[in-house]
Amino acid sequence: GQNIDQPTEMTATEGAIVQINCTYQTSGFNGLFWYQQHAGEAPTFLSYNVLDGLEEKGRFSSFLSRSKGYSYLLLKELQMKDSASYLCAVRPSGGYQKVTFGTGTKLQVIP
Amino acid sequence: GAVVSQHPSWVICKSGTSVKIECRSLDFQATTMFWYRQFPKQSLMLMATSNEGSKATYEQGVEKDKFLINHASLTLSTLTVTSAHPEDSSFYICSAQSPPYGYTFGSGTRLTVV
Repeated sequence: GQNIDQPTEMTATEGAIVQINCTYQTSGFNGLFWYQQHAGEAPTFLSYNVLDGLEEKGRFSSFLSRSKGYSYLLLKELQMKDSASYLCAVRPSGGYQKVTFGTGTKLQVIP
Repeated sequence: GAVVSQHPSWVICKSGTSVKIECRSLDFQATTMFWYRQFPKQSLMLMATSNEGSKATYEQGVEKDKFLINHASLTLSTLTVTSAHPEDSSFYICSAQSPPYGYTFGSGTRLTVV
């Protein structure tokens, strides 16, 4: 089975940095994704990690430690539009390549 | 980039009727399509995986006779909610594996059964 844990809610200030953590336990591992989802909309792709380390893409960075079953999404220079839910998703090895999503972290950016 | 077009965006139907939701991959071939359901303030729950030309694989607890999935071509997958009831009201989203390694989501369909 698979288990993915994320904090339910976070609040951060505009212009600041926020780190959203994700821990997972899966039967096999073939990549971890981060998605952003605004209320009432479909998720949009943010990042993908399959090897240990940090992937940086503009204001967003994602880190992975496979041995610890741990990832985080780092958002810098927060903007009001970053208020959204952030979903951590893990793809197990083999099978249909289906992805399991965590419950998501609702981030509220305040002025 | 890869685009998945999902229609309709929202639909209201009466209890007992059926509703069809379509997902099309516009600029790539989607051999595998995933169908999710999302209730308010909850995460995406995988309902089924469809593969072009074969029967869909349903997750545990999902009624295959109620949620009919057809993946007749490499660019089109459909989900039909049959004999809809108010508890089927939800946000339905499709997703396709898209190059190089990610998943592209459709825009979602908000179904309300009255």
